[in-house]
Amino acid sequence: QKEVEQNSGPLSVPEGAIASLNCTYSDRGSQSFFWYRQYSGKSPELIMFIYSNGDKEDGRFTAQLNKASQYVSLLIRDSQPSDSATYLCAVRNNDMRFGAGTRLTVKP
Amino acid sequence: EAGVAQSPRYKIIEKRQSVAFWCNPISGHATLYWYQQILGQGPKLLIQFQNNGVVDDSQLPKDRFSAERLKGVDSTLKIQPAKLEDSAVYLCASSFPPLGTEAFFGQGTRLTVV
Repeated sequence: QKEVEQNSGPLSVPEGAIASLNCTYSDRGSQSFFWYRQYSGKSPELIMFIYSNGDKEDGRFTAQLNKASQYVSLLIRDSQPSDSATYLCAVRNNDMRFGAGTRLTVKP
Repeated sequence: EAGVAQSPRYKIIEKRQSVAFWCNPISGHATLYWYQQILGQGPKLLIQFQNNGVVDDSQLPKDRFSAERLKGVDSTLKIQPAKLEDSAVYLCASSFPPLGTEAFFGQGTRLTVV
């Protein structure tokens, strides 16, 4: 069974802080990794993707991948109330599977 | 560029009735996914098509769910007969050829079974 595990939260951080979201996966053949954001009642939208071990930065967001540990994370710097949403980790081999999501609340 | 189109947006049916959902992917996207998202959970992959062939349907309840993508473009997902536990949002997504970039999602169909 291909599993993608996330801490369901909720995770609460103050405005301006760093939010750290974590994800582990079971399929060692996984080749690409995605972070989606989903606002309540809306569809998921892509924040970042990462294919190689290490860090990838895009604005306030940094994705980190460690294939040996089967671990991927997302850091959100200078968190804003508008970042409050559920963050979904997705892992792709031949198919694309999602974790349960972590609910993030950024308090003003 | 037009996004992934889904219809209907909302559907309410009684248990044991049948229902069908339609999806039109982004032009040129060979891969099409159907996900089921129950409230408070992550999207669960039901079926993945590559053109008109099935790549993965291991989590599709085949006794009641069926899906097709006859011409490698549009797709329909059917439930017959529906159960209360089928109440969820059904999301269609599409992407470029295998192992390409991210999946783009449609707005989803919210199904309520009463």
